[in-house]
Amino acid sequence: QVQLVESGGGVVQPGGSLRLSCAASGFTFSNFGIHWVRQAPGKGLDWVAFIRSDGSNEYYADSVKGRFTISRDNSKNTLFLRMRDLRVEDTAVYYCAKISYSSNEDYWGQGTLVTVSS
Amino acid sequence: DIVVTQSPLSLSVTLGQPASISCRSSQSLVYSDGNTYLNWFQQRPGQSPRRLIYKVSNWDSGVPDRFSGGGSDTDFTLKISRVEAEDVGIYYCMVGTQEGLTFGGGTKVEIK
Repeated sequence: QVQLVESGGGVVQPGGSLRLSCAASGFTFSNFGIHWVRQAPGKGLDWVAFIRSDGSNEYYADSVKGRFTISRDNSKNTLFLRMRDLRVEDTAVYYCAKISYSSNEDYWGQGTLVTVSS
Repeated sequence: DIVVTQSPLSLSVTLGQPASISCRSSQSLVYSDGNTYLNWFQQRPGQSPRRLIYKVSNWDSGVPDRFSGGGSDTDFTLKISRVEAEDVGIYYCMVGTQEGLTFGGGTKVEIK
């Protein structure tokens, strides 16, 4: 079955960096674009970034553009989110998600918590 | 940019009674290919989100048929025909485009 497992979260000081990973299994990873979506404590869902199946195009929310970089290693079935210049407002649970707009395929990981605090 | 507004913010429903959530977009969601990529998600307490409905009215796998989606253009609705205890959570509408996702602010559903 499809599984997405995030890792790499933790506590980091403002201005610091962190790299999240999302290990995928149960489907042909290289055929699908994947999103990062985050959720601040007690808040709603907030889209972060998307990368196409072959890594040819990346898209970012304005709030993270220039600070976050999404990438993937299709040989290792793994998605990444490199986060730099972290701010307190980046504190959230970060989910990777495989979402098909046109078919009943929607999969989310369990999330990894990033806390930005001094 | 598309702005998606949900209402109400919260809903208190008696078990077995219907519930309805509205989602309005700042612009038409009919895409250039003729499709409308409006989705509904459920997030139960302590869980990851789970999609219920895609392309306005299509069920995702395993979704009970008491959930239904409808609407067009800029106005959309998620209906629960008879609310059950397991339906407690927050519901989000979401628009998907080639450049990314836009979520509504969420509607909290609780049992009265």
